[in-house]
Amino acid sequence: EVQLVESGGGLVQPGGSLRLSCAASGFTVSSNYMSWVRQAPGKGLEWVSDIYSGGNTYYADSVKGRFTISRDNSKNTLYLQMNSLRVEDTAVYHCGKVVPAAGIDYWGQGTLVTVSS
Amino acid sequence: NFMLTQPHSVSESPGKTVTISCTRSSGSIASNYVQWYQQRPGSSPTTMIYEDYQRPSEVPDRFSGSIDSSSNSASLTISGLKTEDEADYYCQSYDSSNWVFGGGTKLTVL
Repeated sequence: EVQLVESGGGLVQPGGSLRLSCAASGFTVSSNYMSWVRQAPGKGLEWVSDIYSGGNTYYADSVKGRFTISRDNSKNTLYLQMNSLRVEDTAVYHCGKVVPAAGIDYWGQGTLVTVSS
Repeated sequence: NFMLTQPHSVSESPGKTVTISCTRSSGSIASNYVQWYQQRPGSSPTTMIYEDYQRPSEVPDRFSGSIDSSSNSASLTISGLKTEDEADYYCQSYDSSNWVFGGGTKLTVL
């Protein structure tokens, strides 16, 4: 059974950093296309970042240069390193396993990041 | 870059049929596959339609997807509405290597 479990969210001040983790089971992260999608409170879904099985990474303009997506093959875990956090980064962050060109087929439950002073 | 525009909300009675539209602002709707996600309150999204009209095996056949090049839009149609279908629905497509989500439609079944 495929499962994705996010962790690492919390309260951080503007300008601070956090690293989110997405522990996967039932499939191999490194062999799959993975994404992070976020949802600000009361708002819609927003794509954040992708990592392809070959290692190529992509970012939304809103996070480019501040966020880094990566994976640890030995831990079968996806990460999102978030630096220079802004109030507008406040959201629930979901990781997802992606079928190329067909969207996310498995979603994690999400982890809440709150950026506030 | 393009946008995907959805109605903010729709409502219909149980047993009826409702269609949610998703209009692409520029470029052809047929250029990239469209997906539809359902999100019930307090839950993560789930995939209802992928690749324009494909349905995951666990999704009931009351849900169907289509695209219409004349209106440059995709549609999600739900027939035989049930109260459990009440949720937010999001369309999603691609712009080069970026993802684009619609703003979401709140479906009320009353």
